[in-house]
Amino acid sequence: EAGVAQSPRYKIIEKRQSVAFWCNPISGHATLYWYQQILGQGPKLLIQFQNNGVVDDSQLPKDRFSAERLKGVDSTLKIQPAKLEDSAVYLCASSFSGNYNEQFFGPGTRLTVL
Amino acid sequence: AQSVTQLDSQVPVFEEAPVELRCNYSSSVSVYLFWYVQYPNQGLQLLLKYLSGSTLVKGINGFEAEFNKSQTSFHLRKPSVHISDTAEYFCAVSDGDDYKLSFGAGTTVTVRA
Repeated sequence: EAGVAQSPRYKIIEKRQSVAFWCNPISGHATLYWYQQILGQGPKLLIQFQNNGVVDDSQLPKDRFSAERLKGVDSTLKIQPAKLEDSAVYLCASSFSGNYNEQFFGPGTRLTVL
Repeated sequence: AQSVTQLDSQVPVFEEAPVELRCNYSSSVSVYLFWYVQYPNQGLQLLLKYLSGSTLVKGINGFEAEFNKSQTSFHLRKPSVHISDTAEYFCAVSDGDDYKLSFGAGTTVTVRA
């Protein structure tokens, strides 16, 4: 069974530029999560999708971050414009349903904002 | 939302020695508890989880954890570590209301020969 795929693995941009991350969840997983993991901290949930609908985006900085999950499969997370404090690893995870079922994580995208 | 405290940020340990990683969470009526491991440049992998039933939970790679409701703790243990256990370990908690995961700050385990 293929795991959660993410791309790119690494990205370096200048502040005020825009960037997009892509996630392909495990086939059949209805729930998809984006987390931000700042160095030295645990992952923090940014947004949760159930199929193509948003369940929770309370921690998403909506003035600069956006995410979509068209057709309930792949998802993209965008930052525009990026700030220095956005430097982090962005993790995508998926689960079969939105309850305590195990979340499977992708390898992450490491973003460096200069 | 739950608050999770991992009491040790770094734990150095010799190969074949035991290790314990401590995790405390804020109180709630019902909680689900998890330990994840993150190897360098990889995503998180579930080690074990407590949902209900026996308070002693066994996971992969020889790890186990014990749920202590009165002390609101979920400490992770392994009786004999290997070099390959060098990684970062995260405790995570979700309560019975929304199932969202709250993570601790992580504990870096470094196993030395």
